[in-house]
Amino acid sequence: DTGVSQDPRHKITKRGQNVTFRCDPISEHNRLYWYRQTLGQGPEFLTYFQNEAQLEKSRLLSDRFSAERPKGSFSTLEIQRTEQGDSAMYLCASSLNRVVSTEAFFGQGTRLTVV
Amino acid sequence: LAKTTQPISMDSYEGQEVNITCSHNNIATNDYITWYQQFPSQGPRFIIQGYKTKVTNEVASLFIPADRKSSTLSLPRVSLSDTAVYYCLVGEYSGAGSYQLTFGKGTKLSVIP
Repeated sequence: DTGVSQDPRHKITKRGQNVTFRCDPISEHNRLYWYRQTLGQGPEFLTYFQNEAQLEKSRLLSDRFSAERPKGSFSTLEIQRTEQGDSAMYLCASSLNRVVSTEAFFGQGTRLTVV
Repeated sequence: LAKTTQPISMDSYEGQEVNITCSHNNIATNDYITWYQQFPSQGPRFIIQGYKTKVTNEVASLFIPADRKSSTLSLPRVSLSDTAVYYCLVGEYSGAGSYQLTFGKGTKLSVIP
């Protein structure tokens, strides 16, 4: 089963450090999404790509957050100068470019703990 | 953004049918209604989507009245493994065939033996 893969699954970092997460979508999916989820809340949309184009990034939480998808395949999410409030689960999802479909496939997430 | 409102939690006994209702009063014409399921420490999983009337798949049914301001997810004969958080979303059309998914807090369903 080649689902959405995220790496690492867990990351502990000290406040002020930079972290980068990787997402490998399902191979034929051209849309890729990043979400953040804190305890007791639903996933919060951050950004999305269609192929290598980042079509929505206004929801990125601050300018410390950035995402790339250089070749339209895997994507990375970077958080610079981490803060304790960045501690959360970071979820990646991918989907096909269908006209009428709200089905996205999520990875298991990267749990970030900032100490 | 189309906001959804659903119960925070529900309990059900095994074998019962469970109906979770969601309201989405400001749904737009091009928006679709979607439900996802999430287990602890996993990403959400798509259950079903619909535009109007009734949609059924192997997992659930989705009932949408004519005004589309609410929807009901129906899970037949739940088992303990259906204990999860269920999210009602309005997939908002953002152009070029793209739908943006905005999650709320979801409904935590607990199935009791």
